[in-house]
Amino acid sequence: GESVGLHLPTLSVQEGDNSIINCAYSNSASDYFIWYKQESGKGPQFIIDIRSNMDKRQGQRVTVLLNKTVKHLSLQIAATQPGDSAVYFCAENVPGYSTLTFGKGTMLLVSP
Amino acid sequence: DAGVTQSPTHLIKTRGQQVTLRCSPKSGHDTVSWYQQALGQGPQFIFQYYEEEERQRGNFPDRFSGHQFPNYSSELNVNALLLGDSALYLCASSSGWERSEAFFGQGTRLTVV
Repeated sequence: GESVGLHLPTLSVQEGDNSIINCAYSNSASDYFIWYKQESGKGPQFIIDIRSNMDKRQGQRVTVLLNKTVKHLSLQIAATQPGDSAVYFCAENVPGYSTLTFGKGTMLLVSP
Repeated sequence: DAGVTQSPTHLIKTRGQQVTLRCSPKSGHDTVSWYQQALGQGPQFIFQYYEEEERQRGNFPDRFSGHQFPNYSSELNVNALLLGDSALYLCASSSGWERSEAFFGQGTRLTVV
């Protein structure tokens, strides 16, 4: 079946750099997307979401970009900090269902 | 305001046994969803409860069952445990049947030996 996937399993950056985590989705019916951060031993933590009628949405130090043409989603983290080290998941949702389909995740490692 | 709380945090069971996991949703939330997360994988949807009924179900066998109580809390039951059921079980709560931001608990780590 269709599922959400990620290009890079691990991303290593230096503190202060900007990070970009990518996600490809294949279900063209999906119209709501969420990025979650999961630290070791904890549940996923909501970061930011975006609906398909938008191309970009900004939060505090984070920006999500949605390219529906190529079915691509990205999470940009500005001035990455060691506390940003975690696994990041993108998740998609299709109309009529309130459940989420998650990808496998990307590990972000931030070096001081 | 307490977020989503799950109990227990860790659990070890023997193959063939039954287990019950519990979840209290975030205050003001009435919808509870359960997910299974195997090591190194993303969460997989098990089922969702709203108004004390199972509304949606993922691709999981009937050994997985659940319940939602009038106070919106929920239980996940797994019968005839298999080694492959070892995983982190996550509860997520949200408001209403329509899509909304889902908040996750810290999960219950189940180990089947």
